[in-house]
Amino acid sequence: AQSVTQLDSQVPVFEEAPVELRCNYSSSVSVYLFWYVQYPNQGLQLLLKYLSGSTLVKGINGFEAEFNKSQTSFHLRKPSVHISDTAEYFCAVSDFDGQNFVFGPGTRLSVLP
Amino acid sequence: NAGVTQTPKFRVLKTGQSMTLLCAQDMNHEYMYWYRQDPGMGLRLIHYSVGEGTTAKGEVPDGYNVSRLKKQNFLLGLESAAPSQTSVYFCASSKHLLGTGNQPQHFGDGTRLSIL
Repeated sequence: AQSVTQLDSQVPVFEEAPVELRCNYSSSVSVYLFWYVQYPNQGLQLLLKYLSGSTLVKGINGFEAEFNKSQTSFHLRKPSVHISDTAEYFCAVSDFDGQNFVFGPGTRLSVLP
Repeated sequence: NAGVTQTPKFRVLKTGQSMTLLCAQDMNHEYMYWYRQDPGMGLRLIHYSVGEGTTAKGEVPDGYNVSRLKKQNFLLGLESAAPSQTSVYFCASSKHLLGTGNQPQHFGDGTRLSIL
């Protein structure tokens, strides 16, 4: 079974600063990796996903993530954040059969003016 | 282009009351799911369905029942609400099981439920 760790429960950052949200996973099999964003009082939206191929994945709203197999990580980055990026971000992992889709506990990103 | 719609959006119940949360999707998805979201715990799967007329238990099924009488609807019931069931409930649907591949899960906007 898979598990996902998001070490930072909250990340405050000033507007236009870069940000990295960390995600580590554990699995005995190869996995797909996802980042979802949840804006206040809304459901989840898929930001980006890694299925195969290039380890650097670009998503919506200027976010990107890099898959590092040796470190079992899938950190999310944005070079310059906006106030509108304030939200909760969830990392998720699934095996290739889709039998185990697991969400991390989430990281609350607060962008300050 | 509604996607996944949850009703109601908010509800307050007294301990012991019952209620049903409705989830409807218009994407002809086979798979539907109910999650609860609690602070610091991410999303946890309550029940899911792999097709009309089928249901299966997820990670935290106790205290909940579900039904999938129509493909587009997935109902979550609380027979006797308890304060521990205060949470935000999300419904999701997907074309493939758990939304792997190029077809991720689509989520509703959530139902905020408070049990007093």
